Amino acid sequence: DSGVTQTPKHLITATGQRVTLRCSPRSGDLSVYWYQQSLDQGLQFLIQYYNGEERAKGNILERFSAQQFPDLHSELNLSSLELGDSALYFCASSLTGRGKGYTFGSGTRLTVV
Amino acid sequence: QKEVEQDPGPLSVPEGAIVSLNCTYSNSAFQYFMWYRQYSRKGPELLMYTYSSGNKEDGRFTAQVDKSSKYISLFIRDSQPSDSATYLCAVRRGSTLGRLYFGRGTQLTVWP
Repeated sequence: DSGVTQTPKHLITATGQRVTLRCSPRSGDLSVYWYQQSLDQGLQFLIQYYNGEERAKGNILERFSAQQFPDLHSELNLSSLELGDSALYFCASSLTGRGKGYTFGSGTRLTVV
Repeated sequence: QKEVEQDPGPLSVPEGAIVSLNCTYSNSAFQYFMWYRQYSRKGPELLMYTYSSGNKEDGRFTAQVDKSSKYISLFIRDSQPSDSATYLCAVRRGSTLGRLYFGRGTQLTVWP
């Protein structure tokens, strides 16, 4: 167990729907990162939050949004879902902005049908 | 051009073999280099981390960076079936931990 908890583990939903993915970082970690992993694109950075504030944004679609709450857990909201949004969504966390790398959760597998 | 290019394989080797995994990156601004290992249905875990050109060894694993040619490698000696996983290289720009750029990953199978 990495200490980063993601729920749900699996999600199947229809096109056009909206889903929320949840991430609880390791105890004490202030930064949360969201990544999307698909077979054709690999791991793509979506967004980073640090202590509740957005720190960096990557290849995140306008249909996607995220936030980090005062208790430091984070949610990734995906709306108007398309078949191409089917992927593994990973959350990672780190203590501060310094360090070697961050700790990933086990991911949420999203299937859009 | 993607920031990091990695041959996805798959790579299949017998137990005990030496495995060589490679990536190239496009931007000399990348200063920090990592290798992650990802088992099936799990998140990536940090395996090796290096900053400078040269070699870094950790047990059976050696990470090598050649900044002049923008080439990074991971060598696994005496490979074991438990090494079967996907290996992802990753790079980042500065000392502040933030966005990582990943290769697509190389799927490795070590058969007994």
